[in-house]
Amino acid sequence: GAVVSQHPSRVICKSGTSVKIECRSLDFQATTMFWYRQFPKKSLMLMATSNEGSKATYEQGVEKDKFLINHASLTLSTLTVTSAHPEDSSFYICSAESGTALRLETQYFGPGTRLLVL
Amino acid sequence: AQKITQTQPGMFVQEKEAVTLDCTYDTSDPSYGLFWYKQPSSGEMIFLIYQGSYDQQNATEGRYSLNFQKARKSANLVISASQLGDSAMYFCAMRAINDYKLSFGAGTTVTVRA
Repeated sequence: GAVVSQHPSRVICKSGTSVKIECRSLDFQATTMFWYRQFPKKSLMLMATSNEGSKATYEQGVEKDKFLINHASLTLSTLTVTSAHPEDSSFYICSAESGTALRLETQYFGPGTRLLVL
Repeated sequence: AQKITQTQPGMFVQEKEAVTLDCTYDTSDPSYGLFWYKQPSSGEMIFLIYQGSYDQQNATEGRYSLNFQKARKSANLVISASQLGDSAMYFCAMRAINDYKLSFGAGTTVTVRA
């Protein structure tokens, strides 16, 4: 099956610093990538959708200047948390898909990144 | 807009027994897909099973089966012969044919007891 990787898997940073999270589709070209945020014991919350070569579409309430998303190629999307604060601590998960039609297992999920801001 | 409801925050099940996880949904789209994912404590989202809105038969994948009742807008997951490794959080999700978004329910935590 399709594989999506995320790096790093875990990051601890100081308040005020920026953190970049990478999401890669390893064996397929991802036309669309999705970024989710998840708090402990809660559901996944879609933050934004990115398409290769175009600006990301952010969900309502998500600060685009805070969470910078770049989808530079068909296999790589990055999420940068700028000037991170403790409230940004969370589990960030990306997913990727290779087509636009509704299909089985359309979205393939990465293993997630745990961010802790001190 | 789609809405997914999972009313069971947590469930306990005895090893080797079956467990049913409830999921109801609401959508105005005639064509959609329903998904179940497992999320163990490691955090990865593991795809379990898929049901298309026009599929005539209920989906099955090994020990997982989906009880799809379209008129009631429900898509319950049945896990048979529970194993200790089934302890995890389970999410029901839906996506309409004309929507790029995958909408998730609140999740159900399953704990399998030996």
